[in-house]
Amino acid sequence: DAGVTQSPTHLIKTRGQHVTLRCSPISGHKSVSWYQQVLGQGPQFIFQYYEKEERGRGNFPDRFSARQFPNYSSELNVNALLLGDSALYLCASSFSRLANYGYTFGSGTRLTVV
Amino acid sequence: DAKTTQPPSMDCAEGRAANLPCNHSTISGNEYVYWYRQIHSQGPQYIIHGLKNNETNEMASLIITEDRKSSTLILPHATLRDTAVYYCIADAGGTSYGKLTFGQGTILTVHP
Repeated sequence: DAGVTQSPTHLIKTRGQHVTLRCSPISGHKSVSWYQQVLGQGPQFIFQYYEKEERGRGNFPDRFSARQFPNYSSELNVNALLLGDSALYLCASSFSRLANYGYTFGSGTRLTVV
Repeated sequence: DAKTTQPPSMDCAEGRAANLPCNHSTISGNEYVYWYRQIHSQGPQYIIHGLKNNETNEMASLIITEDRKSSTLILPHATLRDTAVYYCIADAGGTSYGKLTFGQGTILTVHP
């Protein structure tokens, strides 16, 4: 079975631009969470979507938004990019919205803002 | 979520057991202890979790002290491929919604 797939794997954007990152969860998984990992730090929670509704949001500005589609894939959008948005963006999927089922992470999208 | 404290780095010889400690002295009664690891350039990988009983799976064992203020992840026969950052997370898994709070983790280096 395919794992969690994220696209693109690498991306370079200019300050002020907009970016869209994509995630396809494992088949049958209805929960998708997004994390930001800055170099040298642990991942930081951004959003969770379950059954196409936002279920949780981390401490990130409104420039960050996301949505989940009927097939449970998800997009993370970031507007007005800043240099500090450079990071590895990780998507995690799970059968349930609850942590007890364990989350499966993708390999991430490496975003560089110049 | 309870704060966890882990040593920044540890070494282990290949074939020996790797014992990774974690302190979570402020853990509340409904919070589980989760362990994830992150191998370089990959996303975190779920290892194991537990509430108060010791747990074992094909990857590792989790030993939680009786007062639940600390735990130890045991990799029984470490290999070079176990070199990774290991994260200990305390989370109310039965009620939280995908928000795992990762700390700095422990960099485990397995050497030949």
